[in-house]
Amino acid sequence: SQQGEEDPQALSIQEGENATMNCSYKTSINNLQWYRQNSGRGLVHLILIRSNEREKHSGRLRVTLDTSKKSSSLLITASRAADTASYFCATDAWGYGQNFVFGPGTRLSVLP
Amino acid sequence: SQTIHQWPATLVQPVGSPLSLECTVEGTSNPNLYWYRQAAGRGLQLLFYSVGIGQISSEVPQNLSASRPQDRQFILSSKKLLLSDSGFYLCAWATGGGETQYFGPGTRLLVL
Repeated sequence: SQQGEEDPQALSIQEGENATMNCSYKTSINNLQWYRQNSGRGLVHLILIRSNEREKHSGRLRVTLDTSKKSSSLLITASRAADTASYFCATDAWGYGQNFVFGPGTRLSVLP
Repeated sequence: SQTIHQWPATLVQPVGSPLSLECTVEGTSNPNLYWYRQAAGRGLQLLFYSVGIGQISSEVPQNLSASRPQDRQFILSSKKLLLSDSGFYLCAWATGGGETQYFGPGTRLLVL
C-alpha cells in the first residue's frame, strides 16, 4: 500500500482561484515535502514541513500538516497559468531508511 | 552551488539492446544518490539508492542494475531492455543527513 497519496488526482481551475491539494500517508513521519513537476521535467522542491509543525508558508504556498489524521494539504493562492504542473507529496517515513516515498501526484491545470 | 546532470535527455532503443544512463552531481561531496522511474502520468517508483561509492540498494526486482563508480556518478544499466522498461528516469541527490532531494532533468526512454 502506498505511503503517500494525493487527492484529487486532477484539478482544473481558473486563473486567480485558489487550488487545494491533499496528501494522506500511513506511517509516522519525520517530515513531509511537496514537489512540483512540469510536464516532462524533473521535480522541483517546493516546501518541507516537519512533523512538529502545523503550518508553513512560502510565497503563495501554504502547507498544513495534521499528524493525528496523517494528512497534509497544499494551498496555492491566486493561481496563475504558470502553476500548471503535477504536484507530489513525499514523506521520509520511519522504516524507510534513507528513502523518500512519493505519492502518485495531483495534476493541476490553471486555465487563463 | 550544486547541480545535477542526466544524459541523454531522450533515448529510443530496441528490445534486447543494452542501456546505460548516467547521472553526475557537482558541488557536493558524498551525496546520497537515487534512481527513480516514472510511468506516464504517474508517481515515482524508487529503483535504486546509494549512500556511497560501490554501495547500491535495490528497491524492486527488475531488469535494471545500478553502479556508483565515483562519489558523484550514478549509472543505471541494463544488459537487455524490455518493452516494460520504457518510462521517464529521474536521478536525484540528497545530502547524507538531508531532508530534501534535488532532481535531475530526467531521461525519457522508449523501448520499441
